[in-house]
Amino acid sequence: EADIYQTPRYLVIGTGKKITLECSQTMGHDKMYWYQQDPGMELHLIHYSYGVNSTEKGDLSSESTVSRIRTEHFPLTLESARPSHTSQYLCASSESGGGNTEAFFGQGTRLTVV
Amino acid sequence: GENVEQHPSTLSVQEGDSAVIKCTYSDSASNYFPWYKQELGKRPQLIIDIRSNVGEKKDQRIAVTLNKTAKHFSLHITETQPEDSAVYFCAASTPNAGKSTFGDGTTLTVKP
Repeated sequence: EADIYQTPRYLVIGTGKKITLECSQTMGHDKMYWYQQDPGMELHLIHYSYGVNSTEKGDLSSESTVSRIRTEHFPLTLESARPSHTSQYLCASSESGGGNTEAFFGQGTRLTVV
Repeated sequence: GENVEQHPSTLSVQEGDSAVIKCTYSDSASNYFPWYKQELGKRPQLIIDIRSNVGEKKDQRIAVTLNKTAKHFSLHITETQPEDSAVYFCAASTPNAGKSTFGDGTTLTVKP
């Protein structure tokens, strides 16, 4: 079934560690996004991509980086995790071309930095 | 860039009543306006959307209206049920923007 998958679902990690949050979609979408969201709160766009080798910073300043080497894969990396990075990270994707379309979200990764 | 304001931030209604959530946007070029519902602990999911060439759209108990002149759009839920309790996000996007701008969300609570 076409979907968008995020791993891990939950992650507890120590300060200073490097982490990569994985996001893959089997929907054939060109556009992909990363959002940061505290529970029940606003969605903050931190990175997005139009397609392979395209990455853009979002509206919220973030110390994370992303890459888009394959259409279906859009990982997010934190080089040195800090307690302020504790949050939920949601990956999303949407079709491109012909006007704007619905975004499909993954289940999210809940990150806790201790 | 686009700016979207959403009101109210919290809304509590009695089961069976109607609920209305309003959003305003700043960029007159915006042409796509989706609404997402996020239940507790789950991912946001599209419940209805509207494009700028349409003034109103309905899907059972849910409707969305768009006023391009005033640059605002609204979500209407009739005959609310406890399962409608969730956080609702509006969004707006311009052609070729590559991304939607989201409102800050409305927490709707439907009391039995």
